[in-house]
Amino acid sequence: GQSLEQPSEVTAVEGAIVQINCTYQTSGFYGLSWYQQHDGGAPTFLSYNALDGLEETGRFSSFLSRSDSYGYLLLQELQMKDSASYFCAVRAQTGANNLFFGTGTRLTVIP
Amino acid sequence: ETGVTQSPTHLIKTRGQQVTLRCSSQSGHNTVSWYQQALGQGPQFIFQYYREEENGRGNFPPRFSGLQFPNYSSELNVNALELDDSALYLCASSRNTGGGETQYFGPGTRLLVL
Repeated sequence: GQSLEQPSEVTAVEGAIVQINCTYQTSGFYGLSWYQQHDGGAPTFLSYNALDGLEETGRFSSFLSRSDSYGYLLLQELQMKDSASYFCAVRAQTGANNLFFGTGTRLTVIP
Repeated sequence: ETGVTQSPTHLIKTRGQQVTLRCSSQSGHNTVSWYQQALGQGPQFIFQYYREEENGRGNFPPRFSGLQFPNYSSELNVNALELDDSALYLCASSRNTGGGETQYFGPGTRLLVL
């Protein structure tokens, strides 16, 4: 079986930094992705880690440790528009790039 | 905007009916995946189509079926609708099935089964 664990809710202040953790248990592992979803919207891709280490894209960074089955998404200089749900997702099988999603973390940014 | 379109945007059906949802993939993409997202949950993988063939299936019963056409657009069909089928149905396209290939999601079809 497969499972991903994320905190259900996080609240942070505008301008601050927030880290959303994700731990996973999968029978296979071929990479960890992060998606953002605003209420009523579609998931949008943020980042992908196939190898250990940190990937940085603007205000967002993502980290992976395969030995610990752990990753995180780091959001810096938080803006009100960052209020959304954030999902970690694992590609768990070879030959297909379908994703297994966690239950999501709802981030609320407050002034 | 990802270039992935879905129709219809909303749909109301009654239990036992059948429904067909449609997805047009982004230009240049040959792979389409379908996901079901219940309220407050993450998307759950239904199946994936690659070059008109099913290329993987999640834990969904056979009454969930699909097609991919030569232009790589796709349909999701659900027979014998149940109340629990009420959800947001998302399709996602990618250039191919490679692990590093990003999946781009459409806006979804919100299905309500009464």
